[in-house]
Amino acid sequence: SQTIHQWPATLVQPVGSPLSLECTVEGTSNPNLYWYRQAAGRGLQLLFYSVGIGQISSEVPQNLSASRPQDRQFILSSKKLLLSDSGFYLCAWGRQGLNQPQHFGDGTRLSIL
Amino acid sequence: AQSVAQPEDQVNVAEGNPLTVKCTYSVSGNPYLFWYVQYPNRGLQFLLKYITGDNLVKGSYGFEAEFNKSQTSFHLKKPSALVSDSALYFCAGPNFNKFYFGSGTKLNVKP
Repeated sequence: SQTIHQWPATLVQPVGSPLSLECTVEGTSNPNLYWYRQAAGRGLQLLFYSVGIGQISSEVPQNLSASRPQDRQFILSSKKLLLSDSGFYLCAWGRQGLNQPQHFGDGTRLSIL
Repeated sequence: AQSVAQPEDQVNVAEGNPLTVKCTYSVSGNPYLFWYVQYPNRGLQFLLKYITGDNLVKGSYGFEAEFNKSQTSFHLKKPSALVSDSALYFCAGPNFNKFYFGSGTKLNVKP
C-alpha cells in the first residue's frame, strides 16, 4: 500500500531563518506531488505541484520554493522566512487521471516568531 | 472555469440525526467530484468520489453523497450522525493535474 510521510510535525522558526520541509511517498512510482498551505484550519491554497523529477509548477508567487530531487521526494524551502509564512503545510500525492483522488500527509504546523 | 462551492461555513446537528453538508459545482463536461474529511491537526482523508453511473455514491465511515445534475450539486450525507463525525469537510474536483477545493464546512455534532 502507499504511504506518505511528512516531517517535522511542528516547527517554530524565527523570522529571517531558512526552511526545509520534506515529504516522501512510498509504494508508488511517478506520482504527482503537491504542496498546500492551510491558514486557520480552513481553505487550502495550492503552492506548488510536480508531475515529474525536476518539474515544478508554482501557483502563487511568494517567498517559498519547491524541489523534487527524486521521484518520490518533494521539498519545500525558503531562504528567509516571513511572519506571513506561518501556517499548516500539507503535502499530497496523486496518480495521473481525473478520477484519481489525492492522498495527504499529516502536515507540518509552522510558526514564525 | 472549474469550481466547487460550499455555501455553509458550519453545520450543527444533534447526534443520531441525519446530516447534510452541501456542495455545488461548476464544470464543463462530465464532472468528477470528491469529498474529503479533515480532523484537527491532520491531513485530509479521502471519503468518496463520483465519476459516473449511480447518482448515490457510498464511501467511508457510513457517508454517502448524492449527485444531482439538474441542481449541479453533490451533497454529502449520513443517516445518523456521530459525535466523532465532527470535523472539517471539503468538496473537491480535478482540473488537469490539480485539484480545486471548496472553502470547507465545519461539522459540529452535539451529543
